[in-house]
Amino acid sequence: KNEVEQSPQNLTAQEGEFITINCSYSVGISALHWLQQHPGGGIVSLFMLSSGKKKHGRLIATINIQEKHSSLHITASHPRDSAVYICAVRAGGTSYGKLTFGQGTILTVHP
Amino acid sequence: SQTIHQWPATLVQPVGSPLSLECTVEGTSNPNLYWYRQAAGRGLQLLFYSVGIGQISSEVPQNLSASRPQDRQFILSSKKLLLSDSGFYLCSLHTRGGEAFFGQGTRLTVV
Repeated sequence: KNEVEQSPQNLTAQEGEFITINCSYSVGISALHWLQQHPGGGIVSLFMLSSGKKKHGRLIATINIQEKHSSLHITASHPRDSAVYICAVRAGGTSYGKLTFGQGTILTVHP
Repeated sequence: SQTIHQWPATLVQPVGSPLSLECTVEGTSNPNLYWYRQAAGRGLQLLFYSVGIGQISSEVPQNLSASRPQDRQFILSSKKLLLSDSGFYLCSLHTRGGEAFFGQGTRLTVV
């Protein structure tokens, strides 16, 4: 079993729909990242969470430390949101801060 | 702000040839630097990390090596590439505050 599990693996939506991507992890963590990877491969960090909820534009990320679960929500989805979304965790107590990544969720938003 | 430069973006190399991928960072000093690899259909996996000049740690045994000759330079190398070295290689920087920044990545195809 992977330390970080994402669901769904693939997600197709129509423009304007509300989207949720889930991430569950099995280790104690000091932080969780949501990343966005576009077709060219470059990765951008969307959020870093250690508790609660963060919002940036149409994106909302939440984390429940007790349940070891995080969600990424996209409101009013748009075709330009099409990308791979990756959840990554930094284990608590690591001295060098390495990230352990989920497999990613491929999101396709149709106009 | 922190910037990561990684090159080349794509590379096709024959089996048995050497490899050198370079990553340089700007906007920070004494960063923790990481090399990750994403094999086809799999999540990102940590290969090497460095907490300072000349300090390299490896996560998994492999055909690759890494060096950090300067504070803001991190190099991934191989003396003889294998077919299994094909993948997407990503350089990453983590700040003391836990934020993560990524280069644009190098897509390596070994033929």
